[in-house]
Amino acid sequence: DAKTTQPTSMDCAEGRAANLPCNHSTISGNEYVYWYRQIHSQGPQYIIHGLKNNETNEMASLIITEDRKSSTLILPHATLRDTAVYYCIAHRGSWGKLQFGAGTQVVVTP
Amino acid sequence: DVKVTQSSRYLVKRTGEKVFLECVQDMDHENMFWYRQDPGLGLRLIYFSYDVKMKEKGDIPEGYSVSREKKERFSLILESASTNQTSMYLCASSSRDRFLTDTQYFGPGTRLTVL
Repeated sequence: DAKTTQPTSMDCAEGRAANLPCNHSTISGNEYVYWYRQIHSQGPQYIIHGLKNNETNEMASLIITEDRKSSTLILPHATLRDTAVYYCIAHRGSWGKLQFGAGTQVVVTP
Repeated sequence: DVKVTQSSRYLVKRTGEKVFLECVQDMDHENMFWYRQDPGLGLRLIYFSYDVKMKEKGDIPEGYSVSREKKERFSLILESASTNQTSMYLCASSSRDRFLTDTQYFGPGTRLTVL
């Protein structure tokens, strides 16, 4: 799986949109961009994934640049419960192990 | 709604004990996985299974075994627990989605301490 780079941490005000960037400049054509998050001491939670088109679900939106070298996860209205470590992963989407990097620690403040 | 459950959230065992960790998914997924997560080491795959009674070794299978007798249940066994197996154990399951990709869904985790 291609390496991804994320900021170590970011703060967000409650009620505002949180925009989480991820660089994956060496992503290959058959790798998807996946996002997971992990709240302290809990299992990772799947958020969203996509290949090249922008995607939206009930949790978030995923914007992937045209060259697919970077992406942004958008949490439209951050709440305190969104405080977590967010992981961006480039993964072929075939069954096999996931590899999480260090992720971004997001802290949502009142 | 996706549901993966693990038998315990917290477990304390003694060195040399045999330990069973159970994982159950209710999504009729074919694939199931066991990972451990340690600070600074990220997720490491222990074993996975792509069908009933089938299993494949992951990156760190030593000291562990698994059992998958039913599609919904995947058990991780520590034959003789050691202190270096103190960790957070995560179960996941996956199946093909609308992208024809396998998205993994995780359980809440079991924090195992071996004394």
